[in-house]
Amino acid sequence: GIQVEQSPPDLILQEGANSTLRCNFSDSVNNLQWFHQNPWGQLINLFYIPSGTKQNGRLSATTVATERYSLLYISSSQTTDSGVYFCAGSSGNTPLVFGKGTRLSVIA
Amino acid sequence: DAGITQSPRYKITETGRQVTLMCHQTWSHSYMFWYRQDLGHGLRLIYYSAAADITDKGEVPDGYVVSRSKTENFPLTLESATRSQTSVYFCASSDRDYGYEQYFGPGTRLTVT
Repeated sequence: GIQVEQSPPDLILQEGANSTLRCNFSDSVNNLQWFHQNPWGQLINLFYIPSGTKQNGRLSATTVATERYSLLYISSSQTTDSGVYFCAGSSGNTPLVFGKGTRLSVIA
Repeated sequence: DAGITQSPRYKITETGRQVTLMCHQTWSHSYMFWYRQDLGHGLRLIYYSAAADITDKGEVPDGYVVSRSKTENFPLTLESATRSQTSVYFCASSDRDYGYEQYFGPGTRLTVT
């Protein structure tokens, strides 16, 4: 099955800084999703982005399907951005496979 | 719009007992999923379902049973709980196919003593 690798595993930022999180896939995917798990454990959908670029406020994501990776950009980070960011992907009509996440801590 | 709910939110049980975790969604999504989340492992798929009476095993199905008699409900049963099943369990749903955009419930934290 597909392997999903996320980097970096941990990231500490000063409030206001920008960051880039990366997700690599071992094989081509046609489903790709980014999630944020907040400190209370809730999993929140950020983007469904099998290809191209999307933006939502200070967050944006880009997937380069031919090169099997996706990037999540966080600009002007805030303490409320803290938590764990997961990417997940699948090919064909198969369930998502999750990466192990990037733990982000934003310090005021 | 209630979305997807799980109950109970917290559960403590003893080794060997049977316990059922409930998942209910109000969107009429066809696809539903159960995951467990453990430190160092991320989210791992236990079982999934494409419709009522259609279920499949995921990555870690041993020790779990599911049923889906109604589209909106997808209960997960631990037939004889073990300490290794102490985890946070998440239910999710999708309206299109197995890999399409999934929405998660709030989770159930289960402790097996």
